[in-house]
Amino acid sequence: DAKTTQPPSMDCAEGRAANLPCNHSTISGNEYVYWYRQIHSQGPQYIIHGLKNNETNEMASLIITEDRKSSTLILPHATLRDTAVYYCIVRVAGSGSEKLVFGKGMKLTVNP
Amino acid sequence: EAQVTQNPRYLITVTGKKLTVTCSQNMNHEYMSWYRQDPGLGLRQIYYSMNVEVTDKGDVPEGYKVSRKEKRNFPLILESPSPNQTSLYFCASSYGRTGKNGYTFGSGTRLTVV
Repeated sequence: DAKTTQPPSMDCAEGRAANLPCNHSTISGNEYVYWYRQIHSQGPQYIIHGLKNNETNEMASLIITEDRKSSTLILPHATLRDTAVYYCIVRVAGSGSEKLVFGKGMKLTVNP
Repeated sequence: EAQVTQNPRYLITVTGKKLTVTCSQNMNHEYMSWYRQDPGLGLRQIYYSMNVEVTDKGDVPEGYKVSRKEKRNFPLILESPSPNQTSLYFCASSYGRTGKNGYTFGSGTRLTVV
């Protein structure tokens, strides 16, 4: 699976959009981009995933660049409860081990 | 409610005393996995299972055993726990082999071995 690079931390004001970047310059054509988050020491929570098209669900939007070398997770109206460590992961669909490789992630702090 | 349930949430035990951490999912997921999380090392996969009676080692399997006799359950067994197995453990499950679906994680088990 390709490696990802995220900034170590980011701050965002409550109510504003939080744009979380991720670089995955070595991504291959059959690798999906996944986003998870972990609030304090709770279990990681799946947010969204995509291959090449932009995706949106009730939690967030995922914007993937045309060359697929980077992506941005957008939380449209950040709340204090969105403070968490966010993980950007790329992995091949159907890879046998079904393993998620979590990097260090990015700590998002939403400030009142 | 669709969920992955781990028990216990907290456990303090002594070196060498066998223990089992249970994991159960109610989503009919085929894939289940165990991770441990340690400061500075992140989340690392211990074992995974692609279906009943099919298990395989992850990145850090030493000192652990698993079994998958039923689809819903995937217990993690520490036959002879040691202090270096003090960690936060997560069980996760996923549906389907395409890998397109996200994992659902349990709430975690914080294990301390003294």
